[in-house]
Amino acid sequence: GAGVSQSPSNKVTEKGKDVELRCDPISGHTALYWYRQRLGQGLEFLIYFQGNSAPDKSGLPSDRFSAERTGESVSTLTIQRTQQEDSAVYLCASSLGTSRSPLHFGNGTRLTVT
Amino acid sequence: DAKTTQPNSMESNEEEPVHLPCNHSTISGTDYIHWYRQLPSQGPEYVIHGLTSNVNNRMASLAIAEDRKSSTLILHRATLRDAAVYYCILRDPNSGNTPLVFGKGTRLSVIA
Repeated sequence: GAGVSQSPSNKVTEKGKDVELRCDPISGHTALYWYRQRLGQGLEFLIYFQGNSAPDKSGLPSDRFSAERTGESVSTLTIQRTQQEDSAVYLCASSLGTSRSPLHFGNGTRLTVT
Repeated sequence: DAKTTQPNSMESNEEEPVHLPCNHSTISGTDYIHWYRQLPSQGPEYVIHGLTSNVNNRMASLAIAEDRKSSTLILHRATLRDAAVYYCILRDPNSGNTPLVFGKGTRLSVIA
């Protein structure tokens, strides 16, 4: 079946511009996660949605970052006034609503801020 | 979450078994041991998980020490496609769907 889909796969933007990244989770997955991975580094947690509960935003690095999710479907991660240090691969994952369910990741959006 | 320790890198010859170690000396009684891997230019993918008993699936085997302070991911016959970063992660099901915390993992190189 279809996996987690992210778009665009690549995005180049100028410093100071806003960007929106999209994630289509696997159908029926109630949990959705955003991570960031800088070049050669590990994954940094950004934000987590679980059903209709308030999202866990504890990983967002600044107030320029925000994310929304409509019900149990699409999520968008928005970065306002992008900076060069925002350049990274942004990964989305989804899972069923149980704590032992594995996470299924998309292939990410590679963001380059020039 | 309890911390895991893995070697930075390992190397294997193609078609030989690979044993990837993970130390987790502060593991709690309810922590599950999860393994993910990340192939080049892809998002991580789930490999296997277990609690106390050894586990096998089509991708790999997981051997868990009797005291649970360490575990080993076993790839029975490494292929070039297995070259990836392997992450060992502890997850407590009692903490709900909290995000997985990824460390630096082990970068596995497979030599033809």
